[in-house]
Amino acid sequence: KAGVTQTPRYLIKTRGQQVTLSCSPISGHRSVSWYQQTPGQGLQFLFEYFSETQRNKGNFPGRFSGRQFSNSRSEMNVSTLELGDSALYLCASSGSGTDTQYFGPGTRLTVL
Amino acid sequence: AQTVTQSQPEMSVQEAETVTLSCTYDTSESDYYLFWYKQPPSRQMILVIRQEAYKQQNATENRFSVNFQKAAKSFSLKISDSQLGDAAMYFCACFQTPNRDDKIIFGKGTRLHILP
Repeated sequence: KAGVTQTPRYLIKTRGQQVTLSCSPISGHRSVSWYQQTPGQGLQFLFEYFSETQRNKGNFPGRFSGRQFSNSRSEMNVSTLELGDSALYLCASSGSGTDTQYFGPGTRLTVL
Repeated sequence: AQTVTQSQPEMSVQEAETVTLSCTYDTSESDYYLFWYKQPPSRQMILVIRQEAYKQQNATENRFSVNFQKAAKSFSLKISDSQLGDAAMYFCACFQTPNRDDKIIFGKGTRLHILP
């Protein structure tokens, strides 16, 4: 099976812009979770989507949003970018959300 | 609140030696899973090993094994016969099966260096 894919792999944006990241889960997986990874805060959970519905949400401001499509692909959007949003954004998929998560390579976002 | 603590930010081990990475966690749930993930430099995060909390037997995957002490809420990872390819950031994670916003929490990670 193909693994989790994320596009784009690298992004450079300026403050105030918005960005959309994409994640394609492993075929058959219905749960997609998003994480923000920074050197200072480590891995922080953003949200999880399951069958097109947001099932869980971490402690992030409303500028961070997401959605999931009927084919389980998911997108994450960050509006009004801030310098502190610079991070590696990881997507992970699992069959039902209660078992092992498989991670994508991540999208490296740099906000200037 | 659920927490996962990795008290060793960095560790080094000689090639072919054994090393143990520490992890303690705190959860109020009785049903949960514990994971160790490995993130090599500039590479993808991959699963190393997983442990179901209801299982008393420690999980083992080839050179990787865990010491799961449920009462002490401790979940350490032992790497035997360390290889250069084991150099990576290792993350411990606790996954609570009830559906809740803090369902999964990762530790801050331990960077493991392998000395040739």
